[in-house]
Amino acid sequence: GAGVSQSPRYKVAKRGQDVALRCDPISGHVSLFWYQQALGQGPEFLTYFQNEAQLDKSGLPSDRFFAERPEGSVSTLKIQRTQQEDSAVYLCASSLGGGRTQYFGPGTRLLVL
Amino acid sequence: GQQLNQSPQSMFIQEGEDVSMNCTSSSIFNTWLWYKQDPGEGPVLLIALYKAGELTSNGRLTAQFGITRKDSFLNISASIPSDVGIYFCAGLIDYKLSFGAGTTVTVRA
Repeated sequence: GAGVSQSPRYKVAKRGQDVALRCDPISGHVSLFWYQQALGQGPEFLTYFQNEAQLDKSGLPSDRFFAERPEGSVSTLKIQRTQQEDSAVYLCASSLGGGRTQYFGPGTRLLVL
Repeated sequence: GQQLNQSPQSMFIQEGEDVSMNCTSSSIFNTWLWYKQDPGEGPVLLIALYKAGELTSNGRLTAQFGITRKDSFLNISASIPSDVGIYFCAGLIDYKLSFGAGTTVTVRA
């Protein structure tokens, strides 16, 4: 596609439920990033992939958060046993290389009740 | 937490006015970027600055990379209704972006 796509766009989960958020990067983009954006704040870095390798996961808030990109294209961010504080917009971005311009998807709005 | 301080937090502007917002940091960045985010969408890149002192324009937008590499400003000239949105500054080191908390711009018609 022309841009980064994410699905679902909206997700409501009950506390304790597992969720999986999908990101389809721009075709040919080597680097993929996940960010978390709390209400009224700027995005915060979660994790970075170069192809299928997860090179930095320092921003993941807890071991309940897990990201993968097994074939170097589509990525999934999984949150296990969701908590109310996980409610946020999860943004995916991709770029041609690590330090190059990052293009963002529309985000997945997660609400944990 | 976020290292960048963005001001003002919000502004109401009259259509046709010039506006300015800025961003400061305690850290040095290699690249400064300005993004705009509309409701329900992801951030869209407006301007990227790669060198200290650089002044770059994109249409009605002008941004500068501070000499100390710890600050940047964004100017919007002759504002129009579609300038409404949230503007974020971001600093880049290697591959990692650090964002400010945003400036919310509302235009009075």
